[in-house]
Amino acid sequence: QVQLQESGPGLVKPSETLSLTCSVSGGSVSSGTNYWSWIRQPPGKGLEWIGYIYYSGSTNYNPSLKSRVTISVDTFKNHFSLKLRSVTAADTAVYYCARVYGSGTQCIDYWGQGTLVTVSS
Amino acid sequence: DIQMTQSPSSLSASVGDRVTITCQASHDIINYLNWYQQKSGKAPNLLIYDASNLETGVPSRFSGSGSGTHFTFTISSLQPEDVATYYCQQYDKLPITFGQGTRLEIK
Repeated sequence: QVQLQESGPGLVKPSETLSLTCSVSGGSVSSGTNYWSWIRQPPGKGLEWIGYIYYSGSTNYNPSLKSRVTISVDTFKNHFSLKLRSVTAADTAVYYCARVYGSGTQCIDYWGQGTLVTVSS
Repeated sequence: DIQMTQSPSSLSASVGDRVTITCQASHDIINYLNWYQQKSGKAPNLLIYDASNLETGVPSRFSGSGSGTHFTFTISSLQPEDVATYYCQQYDKLPITFGQGTRLEIK
């Protein structure tokens, strides 16, 4: 059973960088069938896809965030990370890491529990 | 971006009722459409993939259909544990996009 766990600060100051890590257990980020994704959900609102990374390091980002986002992967530590620069209050959200199963389909089959990140001074 | 529009935004139904949620895509997405259930305070959970395929372990009262731009999600007999928000999601074109969600309550 694949498990994902987000970690990182729950409070970030405006204009600073939000940094989160997703640790993967029960599976490998080096699996060729999967993409590793970040998705966020502002309080009381819907889901927004941030982007994903393949084990090779190839990335795809949501154009709405592309100028501020970097997703990276560490195959040795079996984790992947999110950096979101120049944050504002609008970036306050629950951030989920997730696995996108990509063999013959693309569905988000495993999610972390989510971590609330608040942007405030 | 492909826009996904769900209807209704919320609904209330009785235990045992048949419940239907629709999802309209702004462009043809073939059958590249998934459905998720999100209970309060929890991460979403995959129910249906590729429009009509039931994810392993998901009760058979859940089903999906459709292709192109119009999709339907059905609960054949509503149970109390089905109280949640339901989201459709397309993956035909990046960026991946979600519907705005349908909040389902029990009368």
